[in-house]
Amino acid sequence: DAGVTQSPTHLIKTRGQQVTLRCSPISGHKSVSWYQQVLGQGPQFIFQYYEKEERGRGNFPDRFSARQFPNYSSELNVNALLLGDSALYLCASSLAWDRESGNTIYFGEGSWLTVV
Amino acid sequence: AQTVTQSQPEMSVQEAETVTLSCTYDTSESDYYLFWYKQPPSRQMILVIRQEAYKQQNATENRFSVNFQKAAKSFSLKISDSQLGDAAMYFCAYRSANFGNEKLTFGTGTRLTIIP
Repeated sequence: DAGVTQSPTHLIKTRGQQVTLRCSPISGHKSVSWYQQVLGQGPQFIFQYYEKEERGRGNFPDRFSARQFPNYSSELNVNALLLGDSALYLCASSLAWDRESGNTIYFGEGSWLTVV
Repeated sequence: AQTVTQSQPEMSVQEAETVTLSCTYDTSESDYYLFWYKQPPSRQMILVIRQEAYKQQNATENRFSVNFQKAAKSFSLKISDSQLGDAAMYFCAYRSANFGNEKLTFGTGTRLTIIP
């Protein structure tokens, strides 16, 4: 089975532009989350979607938005890009709630965004 | 808000030896999950081991084991018989056990080097 897949893997954008990152969760996973990882730091939570509804939002400006589609894939959009948005953007997916498994969260390989 | 602290930015160990990575966390919740993730140069976050706070027994996965001290809010990772493939960034992460909450809070990471 395929893992969490993300596209594109690398991209370069200019300040002020907009970017859309895409994520396909593991088959059967209904929850998708997005994280931003700046070089040298741990990932920071941006959004979580479950059954197409936003279930959590991290401390990020309104320039960041996301959505989940009926097939549970997801997009992360960032508007008016700043140099500080340069980071690895990680997508993660998990099954519906399971007490025993603790909802193990699986990550994709990420999308590297460079803003110049 | 929960916080996760990893006080060792870098650690090194001789191949075949044992190393322990430290993690402390702060939370007012009584039910939660703790994780260790490994991030090799490929940047994909790989789950190493998981601990449920309601379980007193320390989790083990082959060469990896944890020392979970709930009262002290400490969660260390022990890697036995270190191998070259263990070289990576290791992140400690916290997740609430509240239904539907899948936000992971990460520490800043520990870079582990394996010396041949």
